[in-house]
Amino acid sequence: KNEVEQSPQNLTAQEGEFITINCSYSVGISALHWLQQHPGGGIVSLFMLSSGKKKHGRLIATINIQEKHSSLHITASHPRDSAVYICAVLGAQKLVFGQGTRLTINP
Amino acid sequence: EAGVTQFPSHSVIEKGQTVTLRCDPISGHDNLYWYRRVMGKEIKFLLHFVKESKQDESGMPNNRFLAERTGGTYSTLKVQPAELEDSGVYFCASSQELRGEQYFGPGTRLTVT
Repeated sequence: KNEVEQSPQNLTAQEGEFITINCSYSVGISALHWLQQHPGGGIVSLFMLSSGKKKHGRLIATINIQEKHSSLHITASHPRDSAVYICAVLGAQKLVFGQGTRLTINP
Repeated sequence: EAGVTQFPSHSVIEKGQTVTLRCDPISGHDNLYWYRRVMGKEIKFLLHFVKESKQDESGMPNNRFLAERTGGTYSTLKVQPAELEDSGVYFCASSQELRGEQYFGPGTRLTVT
């Protein structure tokens, strides 16, 4: 079992739908990252959070330290949101990554 | 401000050959990280530099991999000799603070045939 588990692994939705991607982890962390990777593209950091909630545009990330769980939400999803979303937790000094969630938003 | 850059973007080599990957971090970022994603697996940590010193190299798979960061600026990751299982995408990231936000490069796709 991986130290960082994401669900679902694949998600297909229609434009405009509300999207939720979940991340559970089993190790102690100092922070959690949500990353985005477009096909053939590099990795972009969306959020780094250690408590509560952060919002950037249509993206919202939440974390519950006690439950060792984080969620990434996308409101009013758009085809350009299609990408792989990766959860990564920062332990002592290094990142441990989930396998990623492949999101496809159809027009 | 330039982001993290990596060179080459793609490398195809034969088994037994040597390849050197390069990473240029964001200027002023003391922390530099190497990661690797092999097909179908999650991204894995390889090693972490603080300036020119190796802070943590616990993720390096074996002694065929050698990372350097002379002068504390750019870093190289050499694979010698390359094996088929070394194929994957190698990412570099840098951060200003030790546990700060990491900025990723575009990655180098290595294919060993």
